[in-house]
Amino acid sequence: GDSVTQMEGPVTLSEEAFLTINCTYTATGYPSLFWYVQYPGEGLQLLLKATKADDKGSNKGFEATYRKETTSFHLEKGSVQVSDSAVYFCALSDRSFNKFYFGSGTKLNVKP
Amino acid sequence: GAVVSQHPSWVICKSGTSVKIECRSLDFQATTMFWYRQFPKQSLMLMATSNEGSKATYEQGVEKDKFLINHASLTLSTLTVTSAHPEDSSFYICSAQARADTQYFGPGTRLTVL
Repeated sequence: GDSVTQMEGPVTLSEEAFLTINCTYTATGYPSLFWYVQYPGEGLQLLLKATKADDKGSNKGFEATYRKETTSFHLEKGSVQVSDSAVYFCALSDRSFNKFYFGSGTKLNVKP
Repeated sequence: GAVVSQHPSWVICKSGTSVKIECRSLDFQATTMFWYRQFPKQSLMLMATSNEGSKATYEQGVEKDKFLINHASLTLSTLTVTSAHPEDSSFYICSAQARADTQYFGPGTRLTVL
């Protein structure tokens, strides 16, 4: 079945460091891919998405490119801030049923 | 933007009692809502898909008689955990679908069963 695998955390970085959180997926058909962010005590917020191969989603300095050949959707940011500290979830959506499958989440800690 | 609320945000109950959790889409109508369960340091697990006016569709392994879902209107879905036990303690999150491929998530409800 469909599934998402993302790198385990926590990831600890200094402010202004480069961030990469790896995400790979398994899916039948052509899913849409997402990154969600969860701040402490809050619900999930959509960070960015891509709906087809080679699409690049971007928001707030974060980027991820839908790579069909490597079945990946890695999240990157060139310069992280303390305010980026949160848990990041990679997810895919099954177009047929609109179900979402989430990765296990990666906690990011950014230190000043 | 689209806002989804959940009530209560946390609840503590005794073993054997039932607990109802509400999920509301505040500024849009949602024909489909989803219920997830999140274990500590783990991902969200889809429990069921709830369509307004029809029976919910449960994922494999989820007991429909234990987790009762009602989607009575386009802005409200409820999850009732019946005869709760300590192993039901978890973080329950709902989401509402505003349009295809876009889901908005509620803040979650922390359930603790003593």
